[in-house]
Amino acid sequence: AQSVTQPDIHITVSEGASLELRCNYSYGATPYLFWYVQSPGQGLQLLLKYFSGDTLVQGIKGFEAEFKRSQSSFNLRKPSVHWSDAAEYFCAVDGRTGNQFYFGTGTSLTVIP
Amino acid sequence: AAGVIQSPRHLIKEKRETATLKCYPIPRHDTVYWYQQGPGQDPQFLISFYEKMQSDKGSIPDRFSAQQFSDYHSELNMSSLELGDSALYFCASSFRGYEQYFGPGTRLTVT
Repeated sequence: AQSVTQPDIHITVSEGASLELRCNYSYGATPYLFWYVQSPGQGLQLLLKYFSGDTLVQGIKGFEAEFKRSQSSFNLRKPSVHWSDAAEYFCAVDGRTGNQFYFGTGTSLTVIP
Repeated sequence: AAGVIQSPRHLIKEKRETATLKCYPIPRHDTVYWYQQGPGQDPQFLISFYEKMQSDKGSIPDRFSAQQFSDYHSELNMSSLELGDSALYFCASSFRGYEQYFGPGTRLTVT
Protein backbone atom coordinates (compact mmCIF):
# COMPACT_ATOMS: atom_id res chain seq x y z
CA ALA A 1 0.00 0.00 0.00
CA GLN A 2 1.09 3.51 -0.69
CA SER A 3 2.20 5.61 2.24
CA VAL A 4 3.94 8.85 2.96
CA THR A 5 5.97 9.49 6.09
CA GLN A 6 7.01 12.82 7.46
CA PRO A 7 9.18 11.92 10.45
CA ASP A 8 9.26 15.40 11.95
CA ILE A 9 5.99 16.49 13.49
CA HIS A 10 7.32 19.89 14.46
CA ILE A 11 10.44 21.85 13.57
CA THR A 12 11.64 25.18 14.92
CA VAL A 13 14.24 27.22 13.06
CA SER A 14 15.62 30.72 13.39
CA GLU A 15 14.83 33.24 10.72
CA GLY A 16 17.58 33.20 8.12
CA ALA A 17 18.60 29.65 8.91
CA SER A 18 18.37 26.83 6.42
CA LEU A 19 15.53 24.35 6.45
CA GLU A 20 15.05 20.76 5.44
CA LEU A 21 11.78 18.91 5.85
CA ARG A 22 11.89 15.17 5.37
CA CYS A 23 9.51 13.03 3.36
CA ASN A 24 9.72 9.32 2.65
CA TYR A 25 7.29 7.39 0.54
CA SER A 26 6.41 3.81 -0.06
CA TYR A 27 5.15 3.06 -3.51
CA GLY A 28 5.63 0.35 -6.07
CA ALA A 29 6.55 2.58 -8.95
CA THR A 30 8.07 6.01 -9.30
CA PRO A 31 5.28 8.22 -8.06
CA TYR A 32 4.35 11.77 -8.65
CA LEU A 33 5.45 13.73 -5.59
CA PHE A 34 4.29 17.04 -4.22
CA TRP A 35 4.85 19.47 -1.39
CA TYR A 36 2.01 21.64 -0.17
CA VAL A 37 1.96 24.40 2.43
CA GLN A 38 -1.01 25.22 4.61
CA SER A 39 -1.33 28.32 6.76
CA PRO A 40 -3.72 28.13 9.72
CA GLY A 41 -7.31 27.85 8.59
CA GLN A 42 -6.29 28.09 4.96
CA GLY A 43 -6.23 25.83 1.96
CA LEU A 44 -3.30 23.91 0.58
CA GLN A 45 -0.94 25.74 -1.71
CA LEU A 46 1.26 23.79 -4.09
CA LEU A 47 4.94 24.53 -3.52
CA LEU A 48 6.47 22.19 -6.07
CA LYS A 49 6.06 18.87 -7.79
CA TYR A 50 8.11 16.05 -9.26
CA PHE A 51 6.90 13.98 -12.17
CA SER A 52 10.07 12.84 -13.88
CA GLY A 53 13.42 14.08 -15.16
CA ASP A 54 15.69 16.32 -13.16
CA THR A 55 15.60 15.13 -9.58
CA LEU A 56 16.12 18.60 -8.13
CA VAL A 57 12.98 20.65 -8.56
CA GLN A 58 12.47 24.30 -7.87
CA GLY A 59 9.27 25.64 -6.44
CA ILE A 60 7.73 28.87 -5.32
CA LYS A 61 8.85 31.01 -2.41
CA GLY A 62 12.46 29.88 -2.75
CA PHE A 63 11.77 26.23 -1.94
CA GLU A 64 13.36 23.28 -3.66
CA ALA A 65 13.13 19.52 -3.25
CA GLU A 66 15.28 16.61 -4.30
CA PHE A 67 13.93 13.24 -5.35
CA LYS A 68 16.20 10.39 -4.32
CA ARG A 69 14.94 7.09 -5.65
CA SER A 70 17.46 5.04 -3.70
CA GLN A 71 16.22 6.50 -0.44
CA SER A 72 12.56 6.83 -1.44
CA SER A 73 12.76 10.40 -0.27
CA PHE A 74 11.61 13.78 -1.45
CA ASN A 75 12.96 16.28 1.06
CA LEU A 76 12.03 19.94 0.95
CA ARG A 77 14.70 22.57 1.46
CA LYS A 78 15.08 26.29 1.72
CA PRO A 79 18.43 28.03 2.19
CA SER A 80 17.12 30.93 4.28
CA VAL A 81 13.81 30.79 6.12
CA HIS A 82 11.58 33.84 6.47
CA TRP A 83 9.13 34.41 9.30
CA SER A 84 6.28 34.12 6.79
CA ASP A 85 7.26 30.51 6.10
CA ALA A 86 5.77 29.43 9.41
CA ALA A 87 3.02 27.01 8.44
CA GLU A 88 2.14 23.34 8.11
CA TYR A 89 3.89 21.48 5.30
CA PHE A 90 2.49 18.37 3.69
CA CYS A 91 4.23 15.94 1.42
CA ALA A 92 1.92 14.05 -0.92
CA VAL A 93 2.14 11.14 -3.32
CA ASP A 94 -0.10 10.67 -6.30
CA GLY A 95 -1.59 7.22 -5.99
CA ARG A 96 -1.86 6.95 -9.77
CA THR A 97 -5.06 4.91 -9.44
CA GLY A 98 -7.79 7.48 -9.81
CA ASN A 99 -5.14 10.04 -8.92
CA GLN A 100 -6.01 10.29 -5.28
CA PHE A 101 -3.34 11.83 -3.14
CA TYR A 102 -1.83 10.24 -0.08
CA PHE A 103 -0.69 12.90 2.33
CA GLY A 104 1.91 12.69 5.01
CA THR A 105 0.90 13.70 8.50
CA GLY A 106 2.48 17.09 8.05
CA THR A 107 5.34 19.01 9.61
CA SER A 108 4.58 22.15 11.55
CA LEU A 109 7.24 24.82 11.07
CA THR A 110 7.85 27.55 13.63
CA VAL A 111 10.20 30.38 12.77
CA ILE A 112 11.76 32.32 15.62
CA PRO A 113 13.26 35.80 15.22
CA ALA B 1 -5.53 33.41 -12.15
CA ALA B 2 -8.78 31.68 -11.35
CA GLY B 3 -8.68 29.28 -8.44
CA VAL B 4 -10.91 26.59 -7.04
CA ILE B 5 -13.98 28.06 -5.39
CA GLN B 6 -15.75 26.42 -2.51
CA SER B 7 -18.97 27.42 -0.88
CA PRO B 8 -19.91 28.00 1.76
CA ARG B 9 -16.66 28.76 3.57
CA HIS B 10 -18.20 28.04 6.94
CA LEU B 11 -21.18 25.91 7.86
CA ILE B 12 -22.72 25.06 11.18
CA LYS B 13 -25.18 22.19 11.40
CA GLU B 14 -26.76 20.14 14.11
CA LYS B 15 -26.48 16.40 14.50
CA ARG B 16 -28.66 14.41 12.10
CA GLU B 17 -29.02 17.36 9.73
CA THR B 18 -27.84 17.38 6.14
CA ALA B 19 -25.25 19.58 4.48
CA THR B 20 -24.30 20.30 0.89
CA LEU B 21 -20.87 21.58 -0.01
CA LYS B 22 -20.13 23.00 -3.43
CA CYS B 23 -16.95 23.11 -5.43
CA TYR B 24 -16.22 25.03 -8.62
CA PRO B 25 -13.02 23.82 -10.29
CA ILE B 26 -10.53 25.89 -12.17
CA PRO B 27 -11.81 26.49 -15.72
CA ARG B 28 -10.91 23.67 -18.11
CA HIS B 29 -10.03 21.31 -15.28
CA ASP B 30 -11.81 18.00 -15.79
CA THR B 31 -11.20 16.26 -12.46
CA VAL B 32 -12.49 17.10 -9.03
CA TYR B 33 -11.42 15.61 -5.72
CA TRP B 34 -12.85 15.86 -2.23
CA TYR B 35 -10.79 15.60 0.96
CA GLN B 36 -11.65 15.73 4.63
CA GLN B 37 -9.19 17.17 7.13
CA GLY B 38 -9.96 16.69 10.79
CA PRO B 39 -8.38 18.90 13.46
CA GLY B 40 -4.63 18.40 13.46
CA GLN B 41 -4.90 15.71 10.81
CA ASP B 42 -3.68 15.33 7.27
CA PRO B 43 -6.23 15.51 4.48
CA GLN B 44 -7.97 12.23 3.78
CA PHE B 45 -9.22 11.46 0.30
CA LEU B 46 -12.96 10.96 0.00
CA ILE B 47 -13.90 10.71 -3.66
CA SER B 48 -13.00 11.97 -7.11
CA PHE B 49 -14.71 12.56 -10.42
CA TYR B 50 -13.32 12.66 -13.93
CA GLU B 51 -15.51 14.00 -16.71
CA LYS B 52 -18.57 13.72 -14.49
CA MET B 53 -18.00 10.08 -13.66
CA GLN B 54 -16.77 8.82 -10.32
CA SER B 55 -13.14 7.85 -10.80
CA ASP B 56 -11.97 6.82 -7.36
CA LYS B 57 -13.38 6.34 -3.91
CA GLY B 58 -11.60 6.65 -0.62
CA SER B 59 -12.77 6.72 2.95
CA ILE B 60 -16.12 8.29 2.24
CA PRO B 61 -18.90 7.26 4.62
CA ASP B 62 -22.07 5.79 3.15
CA ARG B 63 -23.92 8.80 4.55
CA PHE B 64 -22.04 10.99 2.10
CA SER B 65 -22.58 11.19 -1.63
CA ALA B 66 -21.17 13.38 -4.34
CA GLN B 67 -21.55 14.13 -7.99
CA GLN B 68 -20.05 16.23 -10.72
CA PHE B 69 -22.36 18.18 -12.94
CA SER B 70 -22.27 19.07 -16.63
CA ASP B 71 -20.52 22.37 -15.89
CA TYR B 72 -17.90 20.38 -13.92
CA HIS B 73 -18.83 21.78 -10.56
CA SER B 74 -19.24 19.21 -7.83
CA GLU B 75 -21.37 18.86 -4.74
CA LEU B 76 -20.73 16.80 -1.65
CA ASN B 77 -23.92 15.84 0.14
CA MET B 78 -23.68 14.79 3.74
CA SER B 79 -26.63 13.35 5.61
CA SER B 80 -27.28 12.28 9.18
CA LEU B 81 -24.42 14.44 10.32
CA GLU B 82 -22.40 13.32 13.30
CA LEU B 83 -20.14 15.29 15.62
CA GLY B 84 -17.16 13.49 14.08
CA ASP B 85 -17.97 14.99 10.70
CA SER B 86 -16.74 18.35 11.94
CA ALA B 87 -13.75 19.06 9.76
CA LEU B 88 -12.31 21.12 6.98
CA TYR B 89 -13.48 19.82 3.62
CA PHE B 90 -11.27 20.56 0.67
CA CYS B 91 -12.05 20.33 -2.96
CA ALA B 92 -9.25 20.13 -5.49
CA SER B 93 -9.23 20.14 -9.26
CA SER B 94 -6.79 19.05 -11.89
CA PHE B 95 -6.49 18.73 -15.63
CA ARG B 96 -6.12 15.14 -16.80
CA GLY B 97 -4.92 14.04 -13.35
CA TYR B 98 -1.86 16.22 -13.05
CA GLU B 99 -1.15 18.41 -10.05
CA GLN B 100 -4.13 19.17 -7.89
CA TYR B 101 -5.05 22.70 -6.98
CA PHE B 102 -6.92 23.04 -3.76
CA GLY B 103 -9.72 25.35 -2.81
CA PRO B 104 -9.76 27.27 0.47
CA GLY B 105 -11.96 24.66 2.11
CA THR B 106 -15.32 24.59 3.85
CA ARG B 107 -15.18 24.41 7.61
CA LEU B 108 -18.09 22.30 8.81
CA THR B 109 -19.02 22.36 12.46
CA VAL B 110 -21.57 19.87 13.71
CA THR B 111 -23.11 20.68 17.09
